[in-house]
Amino acid sequence: NAGVTQTPKFQVLKTGQSMTLQCAQDMNHNSMYWYRQDPGMGLRLIYYSASEGTTDKGEVPNGYNVSRLNKREFSLRLESAAPSQTSVYFCASSGTGTDTQYFGPGTRLTVL
Amino acid sequence: QKEVEQDPGPLSVPEGAIVSLNCTYSNSAFQYFMWYRQYSRKGPELLMYTYSSGNKEDGRFTAQVDKSSKYISLFIRDSQPSDSATYLCAMSAFYDYKLSFGAGTTVTVRA
Repeated sequence: NAGVTQTPKFQVLKTGQSMTLQCAQDMNHNSMYWYRQDPGMGLRLIYYSASEGTTDKGEVPNGYNVSRLNKREFSLRLESAAPSQTSVYFCASSGTGTDTQYFGPGTRLTVL
Repeated sequence: QKEVEQDPGPLSVPEGAIVSLNCTYSNSAFQYFMWYRQYSRKGPELLMYTYSSGNKEDGRFTAQVDKSSKYISLFIRDSQPSDSATYLCAMSAFYDYKLSFGAGTTVTVRA
């Protein structure tokens, strides 16, 4: 039982490049989330998926897209990376909206 | 003004001391209150979960919620070096999937 897994762990991009962050959970959870964490800002929600087939914007969605591929997987895509997207990205999942959210280990992204 | 305010610290205490952490919030609809612990270069993990007002105790950890003052606290008794981490408060309304997080307080417990 791995919980929430994320790939890659680290990534360096040049401005304008694109990439997809992958997230998978094996807890049969309905809801999945993408956050970014920046110093002094706490965790900010980028996008979430309340259930398979649905996605909604969070607090900071600009510059990102998401896909809920199936119940287990939720990916985050940066189409044209900018230095302002340098951050640590966390994926999380929960059984329902008000249940405990379980977090993955994070992806550390640097955009040069 | 942020929806959830948390003093980032850092906080440094000797082993065995009581650690006191707190958050204030502005949204009166918040009913679910959580404390997450995050070790360096790791993902946050849930430490305490409380619903509405009151106290909850789990071992050396006590969470308090005062909805009338819009104030929540976490106390760590007999602190250990292994408690050195960043502690994040989080909260949500009953109708909402979204968690609002504080900025996190970094705690160091000195042996």
